[in-house]
Amino acid sequence: QVQLVQSGAEVKKPGASVKVSCKASGYTFTSYGISWVRQAPGQGLEWMGWISAYNGNTNYAQKLQGRVTMTTDTSTSTAYMELRSLRSDDTAVYYCAREGEGYDYWGQGTLVTVSS
Amino acid sequence: SYELTQPPSVSVSPGQTARITCSGDALPKQYAYWYQQKPGQAPVLVIYKDSERPSGIPERFSGSSSGTTVTLTISGVQAEDEADYYCQSADSSGTHVFGGGTKLTVL
Repeated sequence: QVQLVQSGAEVKKPGASVKVSCKASGYTFTSYGISWVRQAPGQGLEWMGWISAYNGNTNYAQKLQGRVTMTTDTSTSTAYMELRSLRSDDTAVYYCAREGEGYDYWGQGTLVTVSS
Repeated sequence: SYELTQPPSVSVSPGQTARITCSGDALPKQYAYWYQQKPGQAPVLVIYKDSERPSGIPERFSGSSSGTTVTLTISGVQAEDEADYYCQSADSSGTHVFGGGTKLTVL
């Protein structure tokens, strides 16, 4: 069965960076893209960007351009999302999602807390 | 930037029909998708490509499209359908966007 398993919760200080992983199993990793979506406490869903697991092409949300990098490691079927220069308003649950017909499978979410 | 507009809340009694709308200028040209999210859980896809239902999603969930508005319809609402619902689509550059979400309350 398809599974996306994300890395554990993180606590970071303002200005630091965080890298969240998303390990895929149960399907051919390079046949689907991965999107990253975040959700601040009590707020809605925010699309952060997308990466092709086939060729590494990316498309980032304009507001995160320059601070976010998405990568994949096809040898381990793992996608990564790194966010730099963290601010308090980056505190959120970060999800990876497989892009099939829509976001058809989601990771369990990773809470990133940014606090001094 | 491109936006999708949803009502903040919808309330219905059990057994009634709930309709949640989502409006956006690009919706006539781009597919819409709907997600259900319950507290503390990851979202779940309930409708893709405007009106298709993934396997495992109950038949009471349906989707439709008309012009710049798409609608998620839940027929015969059950208590377990109480959740937040988000529409999602894309603009012409491939940038994805979510609506602000609609809280469905089952009275």
